[in-house]
Amino acid sequence: GQNIDQPTEMTATEGAIVQINCTYQTSGFNGLFWYQQHAGEAPTFLSYNVLDGLEEKGRFSSFLSRSKGYSYLLLKELQMKDSASYLCAVRDSNYQLIWGAGTKLIIKP
Amino acid sequence: SAVISQKPSRDICQRGTSLTIQCQVDSQVTMMFWYRQQPGQSLTLIATANQGSEATYESGFVIDKFPISRPNLTFSTLTVSNMSPEDSSIYLCSAGQENTEAFFGQGTRLTVV
Repeated sequence: GQNIDQPTEMTATEGAIVQINCTYQTSGFNGLFWYQQHAGEAPTFLSYNVLDGLEEKGRFSSFLSRSKGYSYLLLKELQMKDSASYLCAVRDSNYQLIWGAGTKLIIKP
Repeated sequence: SAVISQKPSRDICQRGTSLTIQCQVDSQVTMMFWYRQQPGQSLTLIATANQGSEATYESGFVIDKFPISRPNLTFSTLTVSNMSPEDSSIYLCSAGQENTEAFFGQGTRLTVV
């Protein structure tokens, strides 16, 4: 079956750095996505990786290793507004998105 | 990027009734999806809305309960039929191209009483 694993919850301090890991097993691979979702709102797109390596976008970076079925989202200089759930999703061979359960990130002052 | 307008944003409905949710995209897209999300949980795919043909439903979801229309490449509707309190959830429309990220509508928060 298809499976995406990510931690349920993480806590970090304002101004610090946090890394959210995601491992996946899917039928084929056509890219990995990270989304941010604040409570009561729809998910918003953060990053997309299809080749191995690091993609940097401001305070957020995402890394992919296809051979290991592994990705992480790195958030730097954490702000209180970064408190949200972070969803990892993989597009499979049918171009369907397979979603992880999400990681709830709690930022403390 | 695509901008998706979804409505209604929320509704409170009586059990046994039906609600139709609309999703309008500001550009033509290949793929449109309907999801359900329970509070604190991840997204569950209901179906893929196919333009000009019947939707493709995931296991546990059937056309009689969740009829879907997609008359063109920018618009889709999801109907939640014969509602019960168990249907209370957030329903999300998503759209995109095969090789791009998926965009989401604002979501519809449905409460069935």
